[in-house]
Amino acid sequence: EAQVTQNPRYLITVTGKKLTVTCSQNMNHEYMSWYRQDPGLGLRQIYYSMNVEVTDKGDVPEGYKVSRKEKRNFPLILESPSPNQTSLYFCASSSHEPGGPEQYFGPGTRLTVT
Amino acid sequence: GNSVTQMEGPVTLSEEAFLTINCTYTATGYPSLFWYVQYPGEGLQLLLKATKADDKGSNKGFEATYRKETTSFHLEKGSVQVSDSAVYFCALSTGAAGNKLTFGGGTRVLVKP
Repeated sequence: EAQVTQNPRYLITVTGKKLTVTCSQNMNHEYMSWYRQDPGLGLRQIYYSMNVEVTDKGDVPEGYKVSRKEKRNFPLILESPSPNQTSLYFCASSSHEPGGPEQYFGPGTRLTVT
Repeated sequence: GNSVTQMEGPVTLSEEAFLTINCTYTATGYPSLFWYVQYPGEGLQLLLKATKADDKGSNKGFEATYRKETTSFHLEKGSVQVSDSAVYFCALSTGAAGNKLTFGGGTRVLVKP
């Protein structure tokens, strides 16, 4: 089954404690992205990757890091989380075909930073 | 920059009612347009898409037509069911930034029996 998986699904942490949210896809997609979802704002792209070792900032990258060492994995790293990073996070992947291919989304990670 | 505006919810309807969710966009170039749906506790799923002007996307009884002249992509369904209760997102992509999707704020739809 084609899918994007994320772990953990729920996470409560304290300010400043480093954390990593994992993302993995089994569709051999070149493109992967991280989004955060906040009420009334829809989803906003944090970082994206167009292939292994190729990553770039999205619209809201401050306070986040990513890496793409393998094609299937794209972890999101918060080195020093702050309360304003409390949000619902989604990983997504797509092929590189032109014309707006479908993005496949993971189930989401709800993060609370106290 | 690119942006998407959609009507705020929540929208509350009775079963078998007609649903319209308005969506307008601003973009450079010729974007592809999408509707994604998010059921409670789940990730987003593609509902339908259109890649050029006058294209009509359709799926599960939902339809939307890419109107370049009015920069709109309104979602419609003729007879909603309780199972259509969800949050609906209008989005666009120009193919840049790894196929980045620019989303509207989402519209929550609640269908009552």
